[in-house]
Amino acid sequence: GQNIDQPTEMTATEGAIVQINCTYQTSGFNGLFWYQQHAGEAPTFLSYNVLDGLEEKGRFSSFLSRSKGYSYLLLKELQMKDSASYLCAVHASGGSYIPTFGRGTSLIVHP
Amino acid sequence: DTAVSQTPKYLVTQMGNDKSIKCEQNLGHDTMYWYKQDSKKFLKIMFSYNNKELIINETVPNRFSPKSPDKAHLNLHINSLELGDSAVYFCASSTGTAAYGYTFGSGTRLTVV
Repeated sequence: GQNIDQPTEMTATEGAIVQINCTYQTSGFNGLFWYQQHAGEAPTFLSYNVLDGLEEKGRFSSFLSRSKGYSYLLLKELQMKDSASYLCAVHASGGSYIPTFGRGTSLIVHP
Repeated sequence: DTAVSQTPKYLVTQMGNDKSIKCEQNLGHDTMYWYKQDSKKFLKIMFSYNNKELIINETVPNRFSPKSPDKAHLNLHINSLELGDSAVYFCASSTGTAAYGYTFGSGTRLTVV
């Protein structure tokens, strides 16, 4: 089975930097997704990490350490529109290749 | 152009009724999925179809039956609705390459009263 853990809620200030952590335990590992989900909307794909290290995409970066079962999503220059849930999902090896989602971290950005 | 569209967006119905949710994607993806997101925000896979064939059927009551008439459509039919079926149901599609992620529909909020 898989176990994915992320904080339930975080708050941050507009213009700041926030790091959302995700730890996972899985019997096999192919990759890790991050999705953004605004309230009442569909999740949208942010990133997919397969190898260790940091991948940067504009204001958002995602980091992976496979040996530690750990990832984080880094959001820079926070904007009000970044208030959303951020879902970590692990793509395990073998079996169905369907990713398992964590419960998500609700990020609130305030002025 | 909506990439993954599902209808209806809201569905309120009484216990015991039968209802369907439709999903269509115009992305040319081979694989489609149904996910359920409960009140605690967990997204759980229900079904996965690849080129109209069922490849994944997680532990879902057999009251739920997916139908894929072609690879662009994956509908979900639910019989004898129960209160616990209340949730948001998301359709999604993907290519065979994980790196591009999944594209989700806007969701159907099902409320069983």
